[in-house]
Amino acid sequence: SQTIHQWPATLVQPVGSPLSLECTVEGTSNPNLYWYRQAAGRGLQLLFYSVGIGQISSEVPQNLSASRPQDRQFILSSKKLLLSDSGFYLCACMRAGHYNEQFFGPGTRLTVL
Amino acid sequence: AQKITQTQPGMFVQEKEAVTLDCTYDTSDPSYGLFWYKQPSSGEMIFLIYQGSYDQQNATEGRYSLNFQKARKSANLVISASQLGDSAMYFCAMRPPSGYSTLTFGKGTMLLVSP
Repeated sequence: SQTIHQWPATLVQPVGSPLSLECTVEGTSNPNLYWYRQAAGRGLQLLFYSVGIGQISSEVPQNLSASRPQDRQFILSSKKLLLSDSGFYLCACMRAGHYNEQFFGPGTRLTVL
Repeated sequence: AQKITQTQPGMFVQEKEAVTLDCTYDTSDPSYGLFWYKQPSSGEMIFLIYQGSYDQQNATEGRYSLNFQKARKSANLVISASQLGDSAMYFCAMRPPSGYSTLTFGKGTMLLVSP
């Protein structure tokens, strides 16, 4: 079965510091991968998606970037964090099957101070 | 552009009763998919149920059913026999017909189930 790992689980960073969040997937190959951000009390906003190694599509212009160096690895980065980058970051993978639904990792809670 | 609207910020229901969570959507695509996810306080997103735009019957998964009214562009989630463990945020989401399966989410509804 497919499993998504995300780390770290929680992170507190000062404004202006860099960021690297990692997502790895097990149990599938060549998955479609997604990064979402959830602000406090809000819905999920799609940030990036990737259909293969080195292929990144950005949905929202922002302070963040994404990379996919390996088939089952998806990284979210920033060179300089802003206060508005605080939130809950979720990595997702499309589960190939009847519904092709997305299933999600456990998330990273980021607080920028 | 696609849009999902969940007008109920919060809902209360007593244990063992049924509850309906509203979701309306807007799209110009004739083909689309509708999803409901549950997010407990732990933060994980749990897939509950799926409805395809061409499905003739309303989707059902255990205690979850989807009241799909295509002409009204609504896809309400019905939870029967509520349990305390159903207390969570519930999100409605839409997928366009493209092959990348990106999802557009609503803002969610917080459901609280009381004993």
